[in-house]
Amino acid sequence: GAVVSQHPSRVICKSGTSVKIECRSLDFQATTMFWYRQFPKQSLMLMATSNEGSKATYEQGVEKDKFLINHASLTLSTLTVTSAHPEDSSFYICSAEGRRAGETQYFGPGTRLLVL
Amino acid sequence: QQQVKQSPQSLIVQKGGIPIINCAYENTAFDYFPWYQQFPGKGPALLIAIRPDVSEKKEGRFTISFNKSAKQFSLHIMDSQPGDSATYFCAASKGNQFYFGTGTSLTVIP
Repeated sequence: GAVVSQHPSRVICKSGTSVKIECRSLDFQATTMFWYRQFPKQSLMLMATSNEGSKATYEQGVEKDKFLINHASLTLSTLTVTSAHPEDSSFYICSAEGRRAGETQYFGPGTRLLVL
Repeated sequence: QQQVKQSPQSLIVQKGGIPIINCAYENTAFDYFPWYQQFPGKGPALLIAIRPDVSEKKEGRFTISFNKSAKQFSLHIMDSQPGDSATYFCAASKGNQFYFGTGTSLTVIP
């Protein structure tokens, strides 16, 4: 199956700093990438959908100035958590969809963010 | 509005048992129904998926049953093993709009 990587796998940062998480599709080109947040023992919460070369579409309640998403190429999307606070601590997961419409989403391994 | 409803929230079975996880959806436009398996601290992994033109799909020990008229689909795990203990998510999609269920935590007791 298709492989999606995320980097870093876990990060600890101080409150007020910014953290960048990378999501890469390793063996296919992804026109669309998704960013999710997951709290312990809960389902995936979609934060935003990004299409290569265009601005991301954010879900209601997600601050676009706080969670900056860039989808610069067909294999790379980045999520930057700006001025992170302890309440931003969570498990962030990206996924990528292949070029065919309706193709499944392939998930990355996730990034555990802890803001002190 | 919850587009996909999943039950049960948690499930405990003995090794060799057949856990069944159910999902129901609202939008008849959905045309792709995947199941994902997630282990703690890992991202979800695609397990098996079905399109509405078939009523059943088997891959190894995993089977999806699909009832288009009832707008329901379910995952059956045959001969369950302790290694199957994980959280399972169903989803329904149309194009790149995916809607996930709330997840089922499965524990298989040796």
